[in-house]
Amino acid sequence: DTEVTQTPKHLVMGMTNKKSLKCEQHMGHRAMYWYKQKAKKPPELMFVYSYEKLSINESVPSRFSPECPNSSLLNLHLHALQPEDSALYLCASSQEGGGQFFGPGTRLTVL
Amino acid sequence: RKEVEQDPGPFNVPEGATVAFNCTYSNSASQSFFWYRQDCRKEPKLLMSVYSSGNEDGRFTAQLNRASQYISLLIRDSKLSDSATYLCVVNPATDKLIFGTGTRLQVFP
Repeated sequence: DTEVTQTPKHLVMGMTNKKSLKCEQHMGHRAMYWYKQKAKKPPELMFVYSYEKLSINESVPSRFSPECPNSSLLNLHLHALQPEDSALYLCASSQEGGGQFFGPGTRLTVL
Repeated sequence: RKEVEQDPGPFNVPEGATVAFNCTYSNSASQSFFWYRQDCRKEPKLLMSVYSSGNEDGRFTAQLNRASQYISLLIRDSKLSDSATYLCVVNPATDKLIFGTGTRLQVFP
């Protein structure tokens, strides 16, 4: 299984809602990532988990809260988002020193 | 200066053409290098890793010049299905990937 899966594919939420994005990989990769990508821009790193511990937080606002329940799962909890947070949210995983494999992403719209 | 710089294109080429993309990076301590392709409204997909010795995968050849901090991707015999955005990606530190802005390729019949 060489796949990273993400749910949901699309999400529309209001600024007062709380929602969660989910990501799963079964490749035994030790690192998992959250990226944000706006239209016509490259992905921007948000968080990295290495061996289930948060290793990198790229100064992301606290309205985004990551969680790694186990080595295969990664969540991104969303609360009180702003319309400018609308974007494609990508999850990725990798093994030591290798390239990262991306999931299909969740397209988020904040109203 | 951006950490990873690419010509945004677009490159419009006919089927069968050879096309080359270039990329420069600023962090000389970078260890790993990759090319990704991204189709419209899809996720980036790893195309190939890039090594100093150069590496080839079918019609695709990637090259790294550490002294010049320069990475290239050559696509031979372009196909319509090669139309995509090609992202140059550099790993300046453990677990961090820095993406270039991407080069758009459009292959026409």
